[in-house]
Amino acid sequence: EAQVTQNPRYLITVTGKKLTVTCSQNMNHEYMSWYRQDPGLGLRQIYYSMNVEVTDKGDVPEGYKVSRKEKRNFPLILESPSPNQTSLYFCASSFMGINSPLHFGNGTRLTVT
Amino acid sequence: GQSLEQPSEVTAVEGAIVQINCTYQTSGFYGLSWYQQHDGGAPTFLSYNALDGLEETGRFSSFLSRSDSYGYLLLQELQMKDSASYFCAVRRDDKIIFGKGTRLHILP
Repeated sequence: EAQVTQNPRYLITVTGKKLTVTCSQNMNHEYMSWYRQDPGLGLRQIYYSMNVEVTDKGDVPEGYKVSRKEKRNFPLILESPSPNQTSLYFCASSFMGINSPLHFGNGTRLTVT
Repeated sequence: GQSLEQPSEVTAVEGAIVQINCTYQTSGFYGLSWYQQHDGGAPTFLSYNALDGLEETGRFSSFLSRSDSYGYLLLQELQMKDSASYFCAVRRDDKIIFGKGTRLHILP
């Protein structure tokens, strides 16, 4: 089944404890992206990648890192999480970059205390 | 820069037709997309318009007017399962930017 898989679905952590949210897609998509969703703010892009070893900042990259060492994987790293990073996170991927539909993972609900 | 404006909430009656509008400001335009998101779920793609006019997919249609920087999503024969949030999205350079979403409430 074609899908984007994120793990974990839920994560509660403390301020400053490094964490990684994994994202993997099995559709051979070139484009991958991370979004955070907060009430009233919609989906805001954190980072995106057009292909392996190519990553760029979205609109809200502060406090996050990503890597794209393999085409299928695009992990999101929070080196020192803070409470303002409590949010719902979505990974997404698509063919041909921008003009193809984005396929979203099921989301990761992160709480930083 | 880039911004998208859509109503925060819309209410309609089951079986009726509803239109969700989206206006955008952009320095470059590559098309308008629409996504649906049910509570607790992930966004799913509904439609994409690159050119002016109406695109129809079953009960859902999407319209674009590039001269007016405006588009809308039209949902016909509303069903209770259509209760969800709807997002318009555009491309800015290599980024995909979403509106803040329209919550659709459907009354029986």
